[in-house]
Amino acid sequence: EAGVTQSPTHLIKTRGQQVTLRCSPISGHTSVYWYQQALGLGLQFLLWYDEGEERNRGNFPPRFSGRQFPNYSSELNVNALELEDSALYLCASSLLYQPQHFGDGTRLSIL
Amino acid sequence: GENVEQHPSTLSVQEGDSAVIKCTYSDSASNYFPWYKQELGKGPQLIIDIRSNVGEKKDQRIAVTLNKTAKHFSLHITETQPEDSAVYFCAASRSGTSYDKVIFGPGTSLSVIP
Repeated sequence: EAGVTQSPTHLIKTRGQQVTLRCSPISGHTSVYWYQQALGLGLQFLLWYDEGEERNRGNFPPRFSGRQFPNYSSELNVNALELEDSALYLCASSLLYQPQHFGDGTRLSIL
Repeated sequence: GENVEQHPSTLSVQEGDSAVIKCTYSDSASNYFPWYKQELGKGPQLIIDIRSNVGEKKDQRIAVTLNKTAKHFSLHITETQPEDSAVYFCAASRSGTSYDKVIFGPGTSLSVIP
């Protein structure tokens, strides 16, 4: 069974640009979660989607947004990139209210 | 807001010794406590979890204990091996509710010395 897949694996952007990160959940999973892991820090919850709807949101500014598609894949969009957005962005999937399974992340570097 | 504290931040043990990582949580409504292992360049991997109606759970060399009254939970790894070296994260959530937002601790970097 394929795990959670994320693309791209690495990305370099400059300040002010916009970026889109993608996540494909484990087959059958309806929930997708996004986390930010800045260097040396723990995982900060960003967003939770289930069945196409946003269920919960972490303490991040509105320039962080996303969506979930009918096939349960998801995108995370970040507008007006800032230097402090440099981080590993992790996606996890699960059946509703079941344990989360993580992908290997997208490493975003802002120059 | 919700918070999970984790200690120690770094831990070095000799191969074969035991390792213990301790966490405390602030949200008394938390009912689900997973532990994740993150190896370099990889995403976190779920290694064990415990729900609030259970005080202890064991899976081979790994065990987790939960004290809901004190809002403490701990990970115990026995007979450590070099491949146990990684960053370990504890977490807490209100599973089964619309507030199901997993809050992670800051992590413990475990080094097992051969």
